[in-house]
Amino acid sequence: GNSVTQMEGPVTLSEEAFLTINCTYTATGYPSLFWYVQYPGEGLQLLLKATKADDKGSNKGFEATYRKETTSFHLEKGSVQVSDSAVYFCALSDRTTSGTYKYIFGTGTRLKVLA
Amino acid sequence: KAGVTQTPRYLIKTRGQQVTLSCSPISGHRSVSWYQQTPGQGLQFLFEYFSETQRNKGNFPGRFSGRQFSNSRSEMNVSTLELGDSALYLCASSMGQPSGTDTQYFGPGTRLTVL
Repeated sequence: GNSVTQMEGPVTLSEEAFLTINCTYTATGYPSLFWYVQYPGEGLQLLLKATKADDKGSNKGFEATYRKETTSFHLEKGSVQVSDSAVYFCALSDRTTSGTYKYIFGTGTRLKVLA
Repeated sequence: KAGVTQTPRYLIKTRGQQVTLSCSPISGHRSVSWYQQTPGQGLQFLFEYFSETQRNKGNFPGRFSGRQFSNSRSEMNVSTLELGDSALYLCASSMGQPSGTDTQYFGPGTRLTVL
């Protein structure tokens, strides 16, 4: 079945460092891809998404490009801040046999940014 | 617009008991999904309800059940609780469009501890 694999954390960076969180997926067809972020004590919130190959999602300085050839959707940010400390989840939409969709999430990558 | 609300926020139960969790989606959203979040497994999909009907189901035992009311509010029930059911239970609402591109809006979760 479809699946998402994320790099294991935690990832610890200094403020203003460059961030990459790797995400690869296995899917039949052409799923949409998502990054969600979970701040401490909160639920997940959408960070960005891409719905077709070569699409680039971006938000709050974060970017990710839908790479069909490498089945990847890596999250990047040029300069992280302490406030970016959170858990990041990669996800994809999985089309079911009935034609509806459910969402598959990776296990999450914890990011800690030090001042 | 009010966000997704979940009640209660915290629950402590003992093995063998049952529990009911509640989720109120964003106004106008017809789809409600439930997830179990644990440190080792990340987010695991439980089920999705759309217009009072279960539309998708994950790989959880029959002890986990749910329902949705005509106002789109949803409840999740777990019977005969086991220690392994201790987790954060997240509810997410969306428009429910059959395109796989829906953004899911998450509540803060209910933290269930089974003793």
